[in-house]
Amino acid sequence: ETGVTQSPTHLIKTRGQQVTLRCSSQSGHNTVSWYQQALGQGPQFIFQYYREEENGRGNFPPRFSGLQFPNYSSELNVNALELDDSALYLCASSLGPRGQPQHFGDGTRLSIL
Amino acid sequence: DQQVKQNSPSLSVQEGRISILNCDYTNSMFDYFLWYKKYPAEGPTFLISISSIKDKNEDGRFTVFLNKSAKHLSLHIVPSQPGDSAVYFCAAISQGGSEKLVFGKGTKLTVNP
Repeated sequence: ETGVTQSPTHLIKTRGQQVTLRCSSQSGHNTVSWYQQALGQGPQFIFQYYREEENGRGNFPPRFSGLQFPNYSSELNVNALELDDSALYLCASSLGPRGQPQHFGDGTRLSIL
Repeated sequence: DQQVKQNSPSLSVQEGRISILNCDYTNSMFDYFLWYKKYPAEGPTFLISISSIKDKNEDGRFTVFLNKSAKHLSLHIVPSQPGDSAVYFCAAISQGGSEKLVFGKGTKLTVNP
């Protein structure tokens, strides 16, 4: 059974740039959720994708967007990067939008200079 | 407004003793609760969960207790081992509502040999 994998592991960008983060879900899982974890905080829900559609969104601006592909993998795109976007971005997969537990990847550490 | 609170940022215990991690929540719609463990440079790993219809769930050395009237849950680890040293996150979800997990800020557990 393949777990959740995320790429890249680390990324450094400058303010105003755009970034794409990638996630492959655990085999058999059709739902992907994205979280942002700032330093010293718990993960915060960004949005969830199910059947290639956004299925729920947290309190994040529209410059955070995503995609899900037919193979259930997903991308998180962030435009017009700000310093506060520096964080660990976690992807979690589950069997169905209400499936628990969600299984997490190791995250992408994004640093904005 | 923090809906899930872990008021102890850190906890230190001796190997072989009991570790008790606490979590409080404010949203009475939460009906499913999870504990995740996180090592540095890794994603959160699911540990144990409990539904609101139960007040206790055990899995080996790990037991979660839920007190719905007090909106409080706790994770007991007995006996504690040095390998248990990690950050522990409490998370909650309303399975009849949105699909988002709401996390606390985490408690860093250190188990001393």
